[in-house]
Amino acid sequence: DIQMTQSPSSLSASVGDRVTITCRASQSIASDLNWYQQKPGKAPKLLIYAASNLPGGVPSRFSGSASGTDFTLTISSLQPEDFATYSCQQSHTTPLTFGGGTKVEIK
Amino acid sequence: EVQLVQSGAEVKKAGEPLKISCKTSGYSFESYWIAWVRQMPGKGLEWMGIIYPGDSNTRYSPSSQGQVIISVDKSISTAYLQWSSLKTSDTAIYYCARLRGFGDLLSGGWFDPWGQGTLVTVSS
Repeated sequence: DIQMTQSPSSLSASVGDRVTITCRASQSIASDLNWYQQKPGKAPKLLIYAASNLPGGVPSRFSGSASGTDFTLTISSLQPEDFATYSCQQSHTTPLTFGGGTKVEIK
Repeated sequence: EVQLVQSGAEVKKAGEPLKISCKTSGYSFESYWIAWVRQMPGKGLEWMGIIYPGDSNTRYSPSSQGQVIISVDKSISTAYLQWSSLKTSDTAIYYCARLRGFGDLLSGGWFDPWGQGTLVTVSS
């Protein structure tokens, strides 16, 4: 199985901060990496697909990048509505696997 | 508009059977994989399995294999997740999600949209 190691597990940041979350795959997954945002009591929502693509409606302050088996989600300027938990997920092969999640909290 | 609407919360006792549903609308049900994802209290997301309604091709995670059954009813565009005998450790929120990507290929896809979730509480 492909393991997805996400870091950090939590972080505290202020509005306006630049935030970076990383996800490392245990083996090559090409660009088959997606990011989801989940707010308390809500279902996850697609944020980035195929490592770096933004779905319609997702603000441009969110971006994704890849370098080998390392993937990064960046929020360029954190907004109040961005405080949530972010999870990566590989879709390269079954079993499909998620990272452990990163909870972004208000500093 | 693509929608996945899940059945309501369930409170069960260990050993009881359960079947929860995910009713879809707004797209061609047979042409997209539908997955089930578990979220245990205070924990992360865990993929359980996935089914292609067009031919009922189904894949399970190692931990879900033999523990649950994923099925569909194409006539009503609905996917199901069922247990024959619940355990207290099955207490969780269960989400269904459509896999978008490249036709009937699993690889390279992404989950969008998701259902609202079904809370399953199992007591001893």
